[in-house]
Amino acid sequence: AQTVTQSQPEMSVQEAETVTLSCTYDTSESDYYLFWYKQPPSRQMILVIRQEAYKQQNATENRFSVNFQKAAKSFSLKISDSQLGDAAMYFCAYRNNFGNEKLTFGTGTRLTIIP
Amino acid sequence: DTAVSQTPKYLVTQMGNDKSIKCEQNLGHDTMYWYKQDSKKFLKIMFSYNNKELIINETVPNRFSPKSPDKAHLNLHINSLELGDSAVYFCASSQRGSSGNTIYFGEGSWLTVV
Repeated sequence: AQTVTQSQPEMSVQEAETVTLSCTYDTSESDYYLFWYKQPPSRQMILVIRQEAYKQQNATENRFSVNFQKAAKSFSLKISDSQLGDAAMYFCAYRNNFGNEKLTFGTGTRLTIIP
Repeated sequence: DTAVSQTPKYLVTQMGNDKSIKCEQNLGHDTMYWYKQDSKKFLKIMFSYNNKELIINETVPNRFSPKSPDKAHLNLHINSLELGDSAVYFCASSQRGSSGNTIYFGEGSWLTVV
């Protein structure tokens, strides 16, 4: 079974600075997807970024980028120029690329932005 | 327009009652899910339906019964509610082979059992 581990329950960063959230996963599959979801206090689950395991290039979405290390099974999220609106729980998630497989989530990292 | 919508958003009810949460998606997806987020914010799959067929059932008590009248709807009925059922329930959908199999979530239904 796949597992996803987020070892940082809480992180904080000064506004406008850069922060990196860690995620590791365990799988025996070679073809899969990795995701970061953001959950603000409203509880909405918002997709931040997606990475296909077969792609070596790291995904980027504006101020959000990932460092995907397939051999190390590591998938960290970097947030540049942090803004107050980035404050939220961030969940790392894994999904196999076949069938209609479920998302397996990590336990989340609560990110606080310090003005 | 909301892509995945669920009702009600908030629900407070007494132990022993039966309640339903409805979900609809207008994304044309073929697969829908129910996830549960407990008080510690841990998210776990409960059920998944593909084209109205149950494909994932993750050791959920049989007091929980999903129903999919068509591929755009997946409702969750809960019988004999218990205190431990208090959680946020998320409906979600995806399309096989599309957009990296990304799963899109509704806004959640916050159930409190008293």
